[in-house]
Amino acid sequence: ETGVTQSPTHLIKTRGQQVTLRCSSQSGHNTVSWYQQALGQGPQFIFQYYREEENGRGNFPPRFSGLQFPNYSSELNVNALELDDSALYLCASRETSGGLAQGANVLTFGAGSRLTVL
Amino acid sequence: KQEVTQIPAALSVPEGENLVLNCSFTDSAIYNLQWFRQDPGKGLTSLLLIQSSQREQTSGRLNASLDKSSGRSTLYIAASQPGDSATYLCAVSAVYNQGGKLIFGQGTELSVKP
Repeated sequence: ETGVTQSPTHLIKTRGQQVTLRCSSQSGHNTVSWYQQALGQGPQFIFQYYREEENGRGNFPPRFSGLQFPNYSSELNVNALELDDSALYLCASRETSGGLAQGANVLTFGAGSRLTVL
Repeated sequence: KQEVTQIPAALSVPEGENLVLNCSFTDSAIYNLQWFRQDPGKGLTSLLLIQSSQREQTSGRLNASLDKSSGRSTLYIAASQPGDSATYLCAVSAVYNQGGKLIFGQGTELSVKP
């Protein structure tokens, strides 16, 4: 049973709208990563947050932004939605200690939020 | 730029068969490699993680190997069962990179027929 919860599970938006996706991580997991998975593709790294600050970003435009809160929850915000933003958005968390390059790097993934942009 | 490729894209086998899934990566400077399972419309479940200093990991009927120098990993599934049907993804983590950044292959969709 995963300790990472995402909401909503499914949602439909129209082009140009804004969306906020939420993730609740396991207690003690101070690192959260967000991924976009298009149909039939592997997940693509969007960004990572560590101790409430962005720490690493993939090849995504600034209209993709995020927040991480002290209570181990986080948000992914996408502005000016485009049709190609339709995908499964995955949140993953882990406990990081002693530096970001260390640790077993075992991420716990949530079940995802399925976004459809019309 | 690190790229991860998985072959084949899809595989269908009869129940009971042993099978091998392949993963290759272009940059051997990795921190570790993981194999995940993804059921349709669901999130990812970590199956095995191999650190860069290791050659293989085993869990039950699953065995994963890693050859950094050649940029290859294999996932061996013994005595396959219909419940093994899913998409299998491999992902690498780069050395000195953000720990939560994984680079994934496109996956192999496995179907085990009863």
